[in-house]
Amino acid sequence: GAVVSQHPSRVICKSGTSVKIECRSLDFQATTMFWYRQFPKQSLMLMATSNEGSKATYEQGVEKDKFLINHASLTLSTLTVTSAHPEDSSFYICSARDLGLAGSVTQYFGPGTRLLVL
Amino acid sequence: AQTVTQSQPEMSVQEAETVTLSCTYDTSESDYYLFWYKQPPSRQMILVIRQEAYKQQNATENRFSVNFQKAAKSFSLKISDSQLGDAAMYFCAYFGNYGQNFVFGPGTRLSVLP
Repeated sequence: GAVVSQHPSRVICKSGTSVKIECRSLDFQATTMFWYRQFPKQSLMLMATSNEGSKATYEQGVEKDKFLINHASLTLSTLTVTSAHPEDSSFYICSARDLGLAGSVTQYFGPGTRLLVL
Repeated sequence: AQTVTQSQPEMSVQEAETVTLSCTYDTSESDYYLFWYKQPPSRQMILVIRQEAYKQQNATENRFSVNFQKAAKSFSLKISDSQLGDAAMYFCAYFGNYGQNFVFGPGTRLSVLP
């Protein structure tokens, strides 16, 4: 159980275009989902916390207008990188908490999306 | 703010041997959770083990066990009978009851030598 999927697994786009990444909890409901960015050989950097039905909470230094997050249902959150530039190239990972497990704080992670902006 | 430190950027272990990865953290909270996640070359984050701070008993999951020293704010991971598939980045993570987010350590890269 507790499987999280991400789509696409990798994407290459031209500078100036927008890219949407989907994160789905497949066998559980998640009121809260998280978006991370990971640079090579580094740890995960939290970008934002996404709550179903409300606006995302962004970490300091993360541009809200560039990284649009929508959490429309208990099983789906999307991250849209708007007007992507080469410096946005990175590995993006989402995670989710299982609402069904009382008191659960464990995060389950998606497989990640590698974004390359040319 | 809470911080998590992993002082060993890289470790290696011989196959079938035992290795211990270190993690220390800083917090003023009394109730919290600690985790070890594994990230193999596929980059999929996999939960290895979890410890609730209120529990005195150290968590174990098959070949993986922790040594949780609350007073010392230490949370080390012991891998017994190491296997080639254990080779990965290992991240220690903290979650406090007053926060909503994980705080990750910088990671330790573990190599398993045949």
